[in-house]
Amino acid sequence: GENVEQHPSTLSVQEGDSAVIKCTYSDSASNYFPWYKQELGKRPQLIIDIRSNVGEKKDQRIAVTLNKTAKHFSLHITETQPEDSAVYFCAARGGKLIFGQGTELSVKP
Amino acid sequence: ETGVTQTPRHLVMGMTNKKSLKCEQHLGHNAMYWYKQSAKKPLELMFVYSLEERVENNSVPSRFSPECPNSSHLFLHLHTLQPEDSALYLCASSQDWPGRGALFSTDTQYFGPGTRLTVL
Repeated sequence: GENVEQHPSTLSVQEGDSAVIKCTYSDSASNYFPWYKQELGKRPQLIIDIRSNVGEKKDQRIAVTLNKTAKHFSLHITETQPEDSAVYFCAARGGKLIFGQGTELSVKP
Repeated sequence: ETGVTQTPRHLVMGMTNKKSLKCEQHLGHNAMYWYKQSAKKPLELMFVYSLEERVENNSVPSRFSPECPNSSHLFLHLHTLQPEDSALYLCASSQDWPGRGALFSTDTQYFGPGTRLTVL
């Protein structure tokens, strides 16, 4: 069946460093790839998304890249701050939205 | 933060109880979703409603029964649950349900705060 693999499951970085989270998907018909951030005890919130007609999208310190040939996409966070600490979920939509397993990012001051 | 609301926020129930979770969206969206979020697992899509019609039912046990009386409200009726059903249940909504292959659809999903369910 359709699935999305997300790595790593945990990531610890020093404040100011960059963080990269990678996802691969299986459904070649997938055309929409959102990323959600879920802080402890809170709801998932969309932070950035990309559609299959573009290869890269940037919003301040956050960027997402998409490689449709390889069926993988990545989230890049630059100049990380302690408030970036959260669980990040990628997702891919072909017929339905399938979520990755999540990455717990910890930014140490 | 008030776009999608859920009640109750916490629920403890026995295996023989019947309870209902409620979701309400104030965004004028046409599609609503129920997800289950268990520890260390991906978000699991349970049900999708588009224009009050169920369009997805992902092999969810019959002890979970959804209801969508109108495009703003979504319920999840619970009966004879098992301890392994304990989880965070999240509701979400999106402008539309895109269906397969729709490239430019407005399907960004907005989540509610969730109901933390504990089954004893």
